[in-house]
Parts: sequence; C-alpha cells; structure tokens
Amino acid sequence: TQLLEQSPQFLSIQEGENLTVYCNSSSVFSSLQWYRQEPGEGPVLLVTVVTGGEVKKLKRLTFQFGDARKDSSLHITAAQPGDTGLYLCAGATGGGFKTIFGAGTRLFVKA
Amino acid sequence: DTGVSQDPRHKITKRGQNVTFRCDPISEHNRLYWYRQTLGQGPEFLTYFQNEAQLEKSRLLSDRFSAERPKGSFSTLEIQRTEQGDSAMYLCASSLTGGMGEKLFFGSGTQLSVL
Repeated sequence: TQLLEQSPQFLSIQEGENLTVYCNSSSVFSSLQWYRQEPGEGPVLLVTVVTGGEVKKLKRLTFQFGDARKDSSLHITAAQPGDTGLYLCAGATGGGFKTIFGAGTRLFVKA
Repeated sequence: DTGVSQDPRHKITKRGQNVTFRCDPISEHNRLYWYRQTLGQGPEFLTYFQNEAQLEKSRLLSDRFSAERPKGSFSTLEIQRTEQGDSAMYLCASSLTGGMGEKLFFGSGTQLSVL
C-alpha cells in the first residue's frame, strides 16, 4: 500500500514567519504534486516535480523533491494570511494512472 | 477557459435513496478521476477513466457505487442505497495524457449529506 504522510497536520503562525511542511513515503513516485485547497472547493494544483532533487520556486513558495523521489517539502517564506488553506501533496505511480493524496497540512496565518 | 464542472454542488438525501452526480471535464482532457474526501482527510481515490474505459476502481468502493463515462466525455457517479457513511465531498478531476508529471484539475465537488 502506498501512503503519503504529511507533517505537521496543523500549523498556526503569525504573518511574516517562515514555515516548512513535509510529505514522506516509503514508495517511489514518478512525479509528485502539491495542491492547495480552500473550504468548499476542489484542490488547485501549485506545482509538479518530476526529477529527484528538483527544486521549484513559485514566488514565496519553494518546493523540493527528494533525491530518491520518495519525499518532498514545501517551504513558504514570509507567510501571509492569503496563504491560509489546506496543503496537499499527491504522488503519481509509475504509469501515472492513479494519483494518491496525503491527509494534508492545514495552515492558518494570523494577521 | 472552462474548467471542470460538477453538478449538483450539494445533495441532501435520506438513507436508502439512490443519488447520481455528474462531472463535465475540461473538453480536451482524456483522463477523468473520481475522489471522495471527508473532513480532515485528503482526497481518497475511487475510480479512473481513460477516454470511455474505466481502468481502475478502488477496492474500497462497494458494489453500491458505479461510475460511467459514455463516449469519453462527461461522467456520472451513482450511489445506490445510500448510507450515512457515504456522507462526504465527491470530487471529480480531469487531466491530459503526456507531458512531465500528472496535473489534475479539480471541480468544486458535490457535498453529499445522507440523513
């Protein structure tokens, strides 16, 4: 069974602080994605990482794929209240046929 | 640019009733997925289509659940004899084969409440 474990489950920080959330698995994934979800809506794709060791930046967000393609991290610099939401990591298996999700990290950024 | 559309947004039903949800994917996308999400959890895979073919169905999915994608366009998910444990957000997503890495585009979901 492939599982994606995310930590922490919940994070409450002040505006301007930095944070890192983690996504770990014992399985190797052909690609890994990060999504952000707001209440009552579907997840929205933030980034896809494909190559082991790959680092991608999206404004204040930095995503890293582990060398062995089993884990990933998301770092947010100078968090803002608009970053509040549920951050989900998801991994696609070798054929990319099935994408599985972690339970998510719920982030709350206080003004 | 038309995204993934799901209908209805909310459904309240009594235990034992049948319900059907519809998903219209992005028009050029050939893959379509159904997920279920409960409070505090990530989306749980239910089933997946490539064009009109249903290629995989979760073992967690009981025989009360059935999905179709006639002509490889829209899809329907039917739940027969609903139970209170079926209460959840049902999400549909679509994607296009090829490219580097899977990129799923989700609809806003159908929130099902079984009383």
